[in-house]
Amino acid sequence: SQTIHQWPATLVQPVGSPLSLECTVEGTSNPNLYWYRQAAGRGLQLLFYSVGIGQISSEVPQNLSASRPQDRQFILSSKKLLLSDSGFYLCAWSPGPYNSPLHFGNGTRLTVT
Amino acid sequence: EDKVVQSPLSLVVHEGDTVTLNCSYEVTNFRSLLWYKQEKKAPTFLFMLTSSGIEKKSGRLSSILDKKELSSILNITATQTGDSAIYLCAVEARGAQKLVFGQGTRLTINP
Repeated sequence: SQTIHQWPATLVQPVGSPLSLECTVEGTSNPNLYWYRQAAGRGLQLLFYSVGIGQISSEVPQNLSASRPQDRQFILSSKKLLLSDSGFYLCAWSPGPYNSPLHFGNGTRLTVT
Repeated sequence: EDKVVQSPLSLVVHEGDTVTLNCSYEVTNFRSLLWYKQEKKAPTFLFMLTSSGIEKKSGRLSSILDKKELSSILNITATQTGDSAIYLCAVEARGAQKLVFGQGTRLTINP
């Protein structure tokens, strides 16, 4: 069966520091991969998605970036965090070509201080 | 731009009540609408509705898609405290590789 791992679960970082969140999927190949962000008590905002190694689509211009160095690995990064980057970050995967339903990781709660 | 709007944003009821959550959408070339339940961490999949499957039911939960009105409802009967969660609605367009989510409805069931 397929599983998705996301870490860390919580993170507190000062403004201006770098960020690296990692997500890996097991038990499937060539998945579609997604990074979503959820503000407190709100819906999910799509940040990035990838349909293959090295293929990244950005939905929201900001100081975040994403990379997919391996088929089942998706990384969310920032060189310098802003206060507004605080939130709950969720990684998700789906079998291609159509992405429904998505399967989510347990998320990373990021607090930028 | 594709858009999903959920209502109400927040709802508090007593255990045993029946609730109806709403989701309306604007999407070019609609393919499917999905409902998720989010308790503390990962959203979990509930239903997927398409043109060929406009009504789904699982236990006390049921959902209907109205393609004419571009909307969907999620019904929960005989609510329990374990139903307390954020319920998320999302839509997918044909040819798109992504889901667009609504703001979610925070449902609280009081004993």
